[in-house]
Amino acid sequence: DVQMTQSPSYLAASPGESVSISCKASKSISNNLAWYQEKPGKANKLLIHSGSTLQSGTPSRFSGSGSGTDFTLTIRSLESEDFAVYYCQQYNEYPFTFGSGTKLEIK
Amino acid sequence: EVQLVESGGGLVQPGASLKLSCVASGFTFSDYWMSWVRQTPGKTMEWIGDIKYDGSYTNYAPSLKNRFTISRDNAKSTLYLQMSNVRSEDTATYYCTRGTYYYADVMDAWGQGASVTVSS
Repeated sequence: DVQMTQSPSYLAASPGESVSISCKASKSISNNLAWYQEKPGKANKLLIHSGSTLQSGTPSRFSGSGSGTDFTLTIRSLESEDFAVYYCQQYNEYPFTFGSGTKLEIK
Repeated sequence: EVQLVESGGGLVQPGASLKLSCVASGFTFSDYWMSWVRQTPGKTMEWIGDIKYDGSYTNYAPSLKNRFTISRDNAKSTLYLQMSNVRSEDTATYYCTRGTYYYADVMDAWGQGASVTVSS
């Protein structure tokens, strides 16, 4: 299975700041990576797929980059609604696998 | 509005069977691949498997393949997960998800989840 190593597991930041979350695959997954947002009481939300393609409805302050084994989710100018848990997921090969999650909290 | 609503969770004894359902609405169910994903109490996300839009093909996580079965009834817009010989490590919240139209393996809609607790 492809192991997805996500870091950091916890991140504290203030509104207006920018943050980055890393996701590293144990082998090349091309650009077959998605990012999801998890918030209490809400259905998980697809933010980005294909490494860098914003899903319809994802604010432009979110961006994704990377290919192969190293990927990054960047959120610029954090807003209050962005404080959540973020997961990466590879869909290059079965079984699909997720990162361990990054909890983004307000500093 | 796309909606996925899971049901059938609860407390189940080790070794028992349980069937989860997911009723879809707001889209043409028979056009989409669907998947099940679970999240453990420790927040680990695990992909369980998926099923082609017509039900003709399924894939599973190898560790679950012998005990879990995914099926669908397109006439009822319903996805199923049959779990057998459940174990304590199957305790999790189970999510029904929809693949995007062009990227079947990217999950663009999630249900709210069904909680399953395996305990005697």
